[in-house]
Amino acid sequence: NAGVTQTPKFRVLKTGQSMTLLCAQDMNHEYMYWYRQDPGMGLRLIHYSVGEGTTAKGEVPDGYNVSRLKKQNFLLGLESAAPSQTSVYFCASSYWAGQLSPNYGYTFGSGTRLTVV
Amino acid sequence: GNSVTQMEGPVTLSEEAFLTINCTYTATGYPSLFWYVQYPGEGLQLLLKATKADDKGSNKGFEATYRKETTSFHLEKGSVQVSDSAVYFCALSDRSDYKLSFGAGTTVTVRA
Repeated sequence: NAGVTQTPKFRVLKTGQSMTLLCAQDMNHEYMYWYRQDPGMGLRLIHYSVGEGTTAKGEVPDGYNVSRLKKQNFLLGLESAAPSQTSVYFCASSYWAGQLSPNYGYTFGSGTRLTVV
Repeated sequence: GNSVTQMEGPVTLSEEAFLTINCTYTATGYPSLFWYVQYPGEGLQLLLKATKADDKGSNKGFEATYRKETTSFHLEKGSVQVSDSAVYFCALSDRSDYKLSFGAGTTVTVRA
C-alpha cells in the first residue's frame, strides 16, 4: 500500500548510543515531518522539511538532527541518545495544495517505539 | 502562538452510548481544524476537518462543528461501537502555515 513507511518499528538503545530512524514516502509529497508522542503531551514537532535538501527546526529539536537528501526520504538522527528521548516517533508527509483543498492533510507512518536505557 | 486543549481522558463508554470530546483552541490567525484518530499500534489517520467558521466535518458517524465564537471544535458521535476505541487528537493549522499543532489526545475505550 502507498503511504509512509518507518523503520525500525522498535529499538532499545543504551545511553550515549547513536541511531538513525528512516522515513520513506511514495506519494511524491513535498513536505515531511518528524513528531514525537509522549503520554499526556500529544505530538510535538521535532523537525520538518519543505522539500528535498531543506530542513527546519520544530518545537523540540534539541538532541536530534535530520536530513532530506532525496525527496522520498526523511532521516532522523540521534547522535547521543538520552533517556529523555524515550518516546514513540512518528513521521508524516503532506501535499501542499492549500488548506482549503479537499486533498489537504497529513499521512502518518505507523511509528517507531524507542527506549533509551 | 497556536495551541489546542482537549478534555482529559481516559473516557470509558458502553456500546451505543453518546460520545463527546471537547476541544478548544487558541490561534493567532484563522486556522483550519482537524480530528485525527489513532487505533492501537497504528499511526494517526485523518478523521475529519473543517476549514472555516460554522463548517461541519463528518466521517464514520463522527461530527465536529467549527465554532469561531467559542473557539471550539468538539467531536461527537451518537452511538459508539467497540471498534471506535482509539486515541483521538484535535489539531489545528494556520492558513499561513503547513504545520499541525496537536492536543494531548483523549483515549476512548468502548466496552461491549
